[in-house]
Amino acid sequence: GAVVSQHPSRVICKSGTSVKIECRSLDFQATTMFWYRQFPKQSLMLMATSNEGSKATYEQGVEKDKFLINHASLTLSTLTVTSAHPEDSSFYICSARDQGLARQGDEQFFGPGTRLTVL
Amino acid sequence: GEDVEQSLFLSVREGDSSVINCTYTDSSSTYLYWYKQEPGAGLQLLTYIFSNMDMKQDQRLTVLLNKKDKHLSLRIADTQTGDSAIYFCAGDMRFGAGTRLTVKP
Repeated sequence: GAVVSQHPSRVICKSGTSVKIECRSLDFQATTMFWYRQFPKQSLMLMATSNEGSKATYEQGVEKDKFLINHASLTLSTLTVTSAHPEDSSFYICSARDQGLARQGDEQFFGPGTRLTVL
Repeated sequence: GEDVEQSLFLSVREGDSSVINCTYTDSSSTYLYWYKQEPGAGLQLLTYIFSNMDMKQDQRLTVLLNKKDKHLSLRIADTQTGDSAIYFCAGDMRFGAGTRLTVKP
């Protein structure tokens, strides 16, 4: 149990276009979902936290108008990178949390990640 | 500097023990975690330790926590080639850069 999927796994797009990444909890309801960005050889950086039905909370330095997050249901959150530029190229990982499933209250279940390349 | 720091690479021979070290600055985390990321896969929680514990053992894994020095380590006994992966140390929402463990036969 506790599987999180992401789609697509890889995407290549042209500069200026928008890209949507989906994160789904397959067998549990995720009360909270998180979006991370991972640069090569650098830490996984938390971008935003979203709770179902409410606006996402963005970390300092993350542009909310550029990285649109929608957590429309307990099993789906989407991250839309608007007007993508080459510097947005990165590995984006989502995670989901369900208080009832976690071995301890903070456990997150991670998706496999989406590699975005902006040409 | 980074909130959580760990060395980027570690190479060991099959059967040896691996020790991955991590230092952190924020001591407010209730739990500290070790995640494993295999090629092409997402992060998987490997083990965790409650912040008021010094040690936790889970089969081949031993986690040591030194709160005074803000140092966390993960020891893998009898390391196997299947243990080759990237290991992330993490506090609440703060991750290290990951240590790439390579196990040579």
